[in-house]
Amino acid sequence: DQQVKQNSPSLSVQEGRISILNCDYTNSMFDYFLWYKKYPAEGPTFLISISSIKDKNEDGRFTVFLNKSAKHLSLHIVPSQPGDSAVYFCAATSGGYQKVTFGTGTKLQVIP
Amino acid sequence: NAGVTQTPKFQVLKTGQSMTLQCAQDMNHNSMYWYRQDPGMGLRLIYYSASEGTTDKGEVPNGYNVSRLNKREFSLRLESAAPSQTSVYFCASSVYRGSLFFGEGSRLTVL
Repeated sequence: DQQVKQNSPSLSVQEGRISILNCDYTNSMFDYFLWYKKYPAEGPTFLISISSIKDKNEDGRFTVFLNKSAKHLSLHIVPSQPGDSAVYFCAATSGGYQKVTFGTGTKLQVIP
Repeated sequence: NAGVTQTPKFQVLKTGQSMTLQCAQDMNHNSMYWYRQDPGMGLRLIYYSASEGTTDKGEVPNGYNVSRLNKREFSLRLESAAPSQTSVYFCASSVYRGSLFFGEGSRLTVL
């Protein structure tokens, strides 16, 4: 039972445009959400997070939006750069924040 | 500053063989994790250790055992390897709210 779902396996965007990566979750107990970025042959790296008490969090070119009623979050990258080409994982946690559940990932390609 | 170090980086096993993946972190983090990454499946949690002396099962614990040797080290053991355990394994550590620091991964092939 996949509690965190990323329904788009891949996404291609032109350099300079906006990239929007989506994530849905089913467990209503999740109250903290994260995005990770992964390059080939490397471990994932933390990108940005959001608590369920917020609906938006920004960090430079990256913004995460949370819609709790829809159990949906999205990551916006503006403007997209070729170096953003990577696999992006959505993740969620709850309670003691010790168990982190990941989605299946979306491979983003930013075309120069 | 090494962060999270995993060994070995590559390993080929025959079905039925055993092996241990080692993980060490130098960031004084309380929590440590083992994930596996498979195509189309994302990152799936095998076991985690919220603090020294405790371990808990994740989503896919069958066929694995873990040991939290001390605060720095968290090992993953395959007692009798199966082809279904062919995967890339990631160790991670965390001090706060899911912000995990990952190692570079260990690629395991079971023939």
